Amino acid sequence: EAGVAQSPRYKIIEKRQSVAFWCNPISGHATLYWYQQILGQGPKLLIQFQNNGVVDDSQLPKDRFSAERLKGVDSTLKIQPAKLEDSAVYLCASRNPYNEQFFGPGTRLTVL
Amino acid sequence: GENVEQHPSTLSVQEGDSAVIKCTYSDSASNYFPWYKQELGKRPQLIIDIRSNVGEKKDQRIAVTLNKTAKHFSLHITETQPEDSAVYFCAASDLSGGYQKVTFGTGTKLQVIP
Repeated sequence: EAGVAQSPRYKIIEKRQSVAFWCNPISGHATLYWYQQILGQGPKLLIQFQNNGVVDDSQLPKDRFSAERLKGVDSTLKIQPAKLEDSAVYLCASRNPYNEQFFGPGTRLTVL
Repeated sequence: GENVEQHPSTLSVQEGDSAVIKCTYSDSASNYFPWYKQELGKRPQLIIDIRSNVGEKKDQRIAVTLNKTAKHFSLHITETQPEDSAVYFCAASDLSGGYQKVTFGTGTKLQVIP
């Protein structure tokens, strides 16, 4: 089965600019997650979707971050405006019916 | 919310020796405990998981134990090989309530010395 796809793989922007990340989960996986992984730390959940609905966004900095999954498949995560501390790898994951999460390759964001 | 602590942060072992990584969690409602391996520059990959209705699970050289009373669980790797070198993350989650929120530990960097 095809894995979780993400793009772009790398992105360099200046602070105060905007950026968007895209994720295509494994076919049939209803649950999709966005994580932020700062260098040397574990993944931190930003937002969780069940189909096209948000089930948990308690750790999403909503003043600058937004995410959507309009048709219950692909998802986009946006940062506007970016800050230096947003430099991290943004991981997308989807979950199968056995509660196993599969991660995408991530997008490495550098904010200068 | 859930808090997961992981120790040690770094671990060096000789090839062939065993490695043990320990995690504790705070939320007694947590009932699913996956372990992920992340090689440098790559995505986390699920290597083994355990549910709260069992105390131990084994898959070849990897085993996980769970002590619900003490709220801790451990990853055991036997006969370590250089390709086991990576960062390992434990996680805890509550599968009830219709959705799964996973809280990760801070990671253990394992180095297997040939």
